[in-house]
Amino acid sequence: DAKTTQPNSMESNEEEPVHLPCNHSTISGTDYIHWYRQLPSQGPEYVIHGLTSNVNNRMASLAIAEDRKSSTLILHRATLRDAAVYYCILKGGAGGTSYGKLTFGQGTILTVHP
Amino acid sequence: DTEVTQTPKHLVMGMTNKKSLKCEQHMGHRAMYWYKQKAKKPPELMFVYSYEKLSINESVPSRFSPECPNSSLLNLHLHALQPEDSALYLCASSQRAVSYEQYFGPGTRLTVT
Repeated sequence: DAKTTQPNSMESNEEEPVHLPCNHSTISGTDYIHWYRQLPSQGPEYVIHGLTSNVNNRMASLAIAEDRKSSTLILHRATLRDAAVYYCILKGGAGGTSYGKLTFGQGTILTVHP
Repeated sequence: DTEVTQTPKHLVMGMTNKKSLKCEQHMGHRAMYWYKQKAKKPPELMFVYSYEKLSINESVPSRFSPECPNSSLLNLHLHALQPEDSALYLCASSQRAVSYEQYFGPGTRLTVT
């Protein structure tokens, strides 16, 4: 499985934007980039995913580099509730050997200060 | 209803016990998953069921035995566990195995004594 590299931890202030980077230099053409987060004492929660183009949803934005070797999850206005571990995951498309699998990396611990 | 429920929340068992973890979803999802998460580590995939059939087994020891009796229910039967099997066991589901979004339950915290 292609691997992702994320900073161990990041800090932010409430109501400020947060940019969480992820490197995935060995990404294959059929790998989707997924982001999940895990709040304390909860199961992981889907945040966003993309393939080539930048994506927006109600939770966040995903900016994908043109060569797809890196991506950035953007939280536009961090709140205390956004404090969590954020995982960047590559997930194979249909027909690949990693079909259906989510392989979590170490993730980034995001701390949000009031 | 976008909820995945897991029971029990906590379980303590001895190494000779037999116990089961239960996971349920009523979203009509046809893919279900078991993950194991050790403290301060990321979740690790154990099993994937697609349309009630086991499609992925990540070389999990046979003391863990999954079962999917119907499309809403997923069990994990435990027998002769070791203390190092103590972890948070997470269940997840998705519309299909290829679907983008997996919904996770809150997990069962297992302690093996």
